[in-house]
Amino acid sequence: NAGVTQTPKFRVLKTGQSMTLLCAQDMNHEYMYWYRQDPGMGLRLIHYSVGEGTTAKGEVPDGYNVSRLKKQNFLLGLESAAPSQTSVYFCASSYSSGSGDTGELFFGEGSRLTVL
Amino acid sequence: KNQVEQSPQSLIILEGKNCTLQCNYTVSPFSNLRWYKQDTGRGPVSLTIMTFSENTKSNGRYTATLDADTKQSSLHITASQLSDSASYICVVSASRNQFYFGTGTSLTVIP
Repeated sequence: NAGVTQTPKFRVLKTGQSMTLLCAQDMNHEYMYWYRQDPGMGLRLIHYSVGEGTTAKGEVPDGYNVSRLKKQNFLLGLESAAPSQTSVYFCASSYSSGSGDTGELFFGEGSRLTVL
Repeated sequence: KNQVEQSPQSLIILEGKNCTLQCNYTVSPFSNLRWYKQDTGRGPVSLTIMTFSENTKSNGRYTATLDADTKQSSLHITASQLSDSASYICVVSASRNQFYFGTGTSLTVIP
């Protein structure tokens, strides 16, 4: 059982280049999230999805786009990378019980992105 | 404003000693509180979950407490090991898919 898998694990970009981070989960979770983690700051939500075909903005969505064409995959795109987007990106997924309680977040191993 | 604050920011202890990490939150409405362990270069992994009605929960050498009245939680680590060196993150859930993260406590266990 792989859980949450992110690719690539490392990437270096030049300012203005574009790229896509892929997140795949095999736990049949409805919810998926993209976070960024910067030194001295907590994990910050970029975008999230509550189901296939639906996405929503999080706390820091500017400069990013996402898509959830399949339930198991959640893609994060950077159209024109900026040095401020240098960060470690984490994908996570979660379930939710029928009572509405919030389930555990399962994280990927992270993708370290450097924008020069 | 929904916030989660953790203290201390960093901590160094000798192997075998105990330590306690703190988490204060102002998140409302409250669904549950989880402590996550994040090893260097890895993703966070859940250690414990505390719901409103729970005061104490243990997971091996990790014991979490919750005081819902004062909105405080603690994570106590007993007989620390070198493998406990990590960042410990307090995460409070307000409702479905709403999570609020603390900035974490960096724990270093030295031999």
